[in-house]
Amino acid sequence: QKEVEQNSGPLSVPEGAIASLNCTYSDRGSQSFFWYRQYSGKSPELIMFIYSNGDKEDGRFTAQLNKASQYVSLLIRDSQPSDSATYLCAVYSNSGYALNFGKGTSLLVTP
Amino acid sequence: DGGITQSPKYLFRKEGQNVTLSCEQNLNHDAMYWYRQDPGQGLRLIYYSQIVNDFQKGDIAEGYSVSREKKESFPLTVTSAQKNPTAFYLCASSKGEHQPQHFGDGTRLSIL
Repeated sequence: QKEVEQNSGPLSVPEGAIASLNCTYSDRGSQSFFWYRQYSGKSPELIMFIYSNGDKEDGRFTAQLNKASQYVSLLIRDSQPSDSATYLCAVYSNSGYALNFGKGTSLLVTP
Repeated sequence: DGGITQSPKYLFRKEGQNVTLSCEQNLNHDAMYWYRQDPGQGLRLIYYSQIVNDFQKGDIAEGYSVSREKKESFPLTVTSAQKNPTAFYLCASSKGEHQPQHFGDGTRLSIL
């Protein structure tokens, strides 16, 4: 069973701070990595994806991938109360179709 | 607007009854997926389909069935063999292998 691990939180950060969310995965052959945001009662929304080692930035979001250490992280700069949600890390298996999800980290941004 | 439409939004199942959840996409995506989410849990893969007329079992396929007769449609049937069907069901699609998956709004299924 391919595992994706996340700290369940809640992670609490003040408004304007940087939120750092982490994820580790067990399958060393994984090639593609995704972060989804899920508000309570809603479906997941794709935030970022990354395929290569290093950083990928999109607006206030930065995804970081380290394949040697088998972790992927998501940084949210200038955190807003509207960022309060559960963030799901997802990793494809070698098949490229079975996406394995972590249980998510709950983020709370306090005004 | 392109997107994924799931219906109904809420569904109730009686004991011994089969129910079918609808998923339609107009994104021209080749691959489609069904996930189940239980409270406080991550998503678990039920079935996926890479192309029309082909589908593969995921981690928790027992008690479920699917069909893929059209590229746009991937209905999921929850059979009476699924003894604990209460969950949030999510349909997703992607262009293909290793591509980002996009989700519909989901269907909440409960037992009467």
